[in-house]
Amino acid sequence: EIVMTQSPATLSVSPGERATLSCRASQSVSSDLAWYQQKPGRAPRLLIYGASARATGIPARFRGSGSGTEFTLSISSLQSEDFAVYYCQQYHKWPPRYTFGQGTKLEIK
Amino acid sequence: EVQLVESGGGLVKPGGSLRVSCVGSGFTFSSYTMNWVRQAPGKGLEWVSSISSSSEFRYYGDSVKGRFTTSRDNAKKSLYLQMNSLKVEDTAVYYCVRDGNSGYGANWFDPWGQGILVTVSS
Repeated sequence: EIVMTQSPATLSVSPGERATLSCRASQSVSSDLAWYQQKPGRAPRLLIYGASARATGIPARFRGSGSGTEFTLSISSLQSEDFAVYYCQQYHKWPPRYTFGQGTKLEIK
Repeated sequence: EVQLVESGGGLVKPGGSLRVSCVGSGFTFSSYTMNWVRQAPGKGLEWVSSISSSSEFRYYGDSVKGRFTTSRDNAKKSLYLQMNSLKVEDTAVYYCVRDGNSGYGANWFDPWGQGILVTVSS
């Protein structure tokens, strides 16, 4: 099983500042990496796929980067609606053995 | 608008069974692999199952293999998860999720249904 590890567990950032979230895979997943945003009581929403492609309707302030085992989600100029939990997911294997990171909670400083 | 709506959740005793359903709309349901992902209260996301567009392939996470069965009815644009021998640790919100791309192969998940709560408790 590919283990996904996110850091930090909680990140406190002020509105208007930049947030940088990390995701590490236990083995290479190439660019088969997605990021999701989840707000309390809501379903996750796709932000990024293919490590760096923004999903439809996702603002340009969300930027994904990385390949292999190290990935980053950067959110510039944080808005109030960006404070949420973020998950990374690898989809490298077929047959599927999808795994998610444990999540990073982005909170208002 | 692409939409997924789950139903059928509720409270069930350990060892019991439950079937949850999902209806898709706004896309060609029969062209997509469909998935179930769950989230225990206060916890992270766990992939449960995937079923290919014509039901040729069905895959399960290790924690549910042998107890859960996923199926679909493309004519009804519906996805099902039959859960047997339920355990307390199966308590979670179950999300119906579409593959981001049609066709075969590993994929990201988009969109997600609103989720349905399954509680296993005596």
